[in-house]
Amino acid sequence: SAVISQKPSRDICQRGTSLTIQCQVDSQVTMMFWYRQQPGQSLTLIATANQGSEATYESGFVIDKFPISRPNLTFSTLTVSNMSPEDSSIYLCSVEIGTGRGYTFGSGTRLTVV
Amino acid sequence: EDQVTQSPEALRLQEGESSSLNCSYTVSGLRGLFWYRQDPGKGPEFLFTLYSAGEEKEKERLKATLTKKESFLHITAPKPEDSATYLCAVQTPRNTDKLIFGTGTRLQVFP
Repeated sequence: SAVISQKPSRDICQRGTSLTIQCQVDSQVTMMFWYRQQPGQSLTLIATANQGSEATYESGFVIDKFPISRPNLTFSTLTVSNMSPEDSSIYLCSVEIGTGRGYTFGSGTRLTVV
Repeated sequence: EDQVTQSPEALRLQEGESSSLNCSYTVSGLRGLFWYRQDPGKGPEFLFTLYSAGEEKEKERLKATLTKKESFLHITAPKPEDSATYLCAVQTPRNTDKLIFGTGTRLQVFP
């Protein structure tokens, strides 16, 4: 199954700044998914990133706040823009293991905004 | 609205004391139900996928079962290394690439 490398693993950022999170997969995948896990909350899908097209965002998430790049079939970035303390969360990328077999996740980026 | 509820929120077990975690779901059709284990500071680790009522899957001390309304994760004779948060997620035909997660059960197993 696919192995995901995600970085940075954690960061502390000043409000108003932006952070870009990188996700590298060891095999080519059609879709990559970005999730957010707020403290004490469940994982929530932010957007789905297909190579060669605009990302599809879930309700409550917008491109200006969470721009996504997907330059090739093994790599994606998520930027958290103009950060506020409410953006403090764990951000995770995910890919499908195999059709109908489930999804694997990166190790996550723990973001703290001060 | 599709919803996943996990119980209990937290569970403390003595080593060797078997128990079950519950995941109940209300969805507009079920395409798959997924169980994950998450250790502190790490991403979720895939455990099982269940597709239809009556299906069961096993892995070491873990056994997952599925009915039309809920899933159970049975832990037999747990060890301290089984301590983690266990997450349940569902996938529906309407959103085939979106997992809807519950908030998890935090399991602590004491020696």
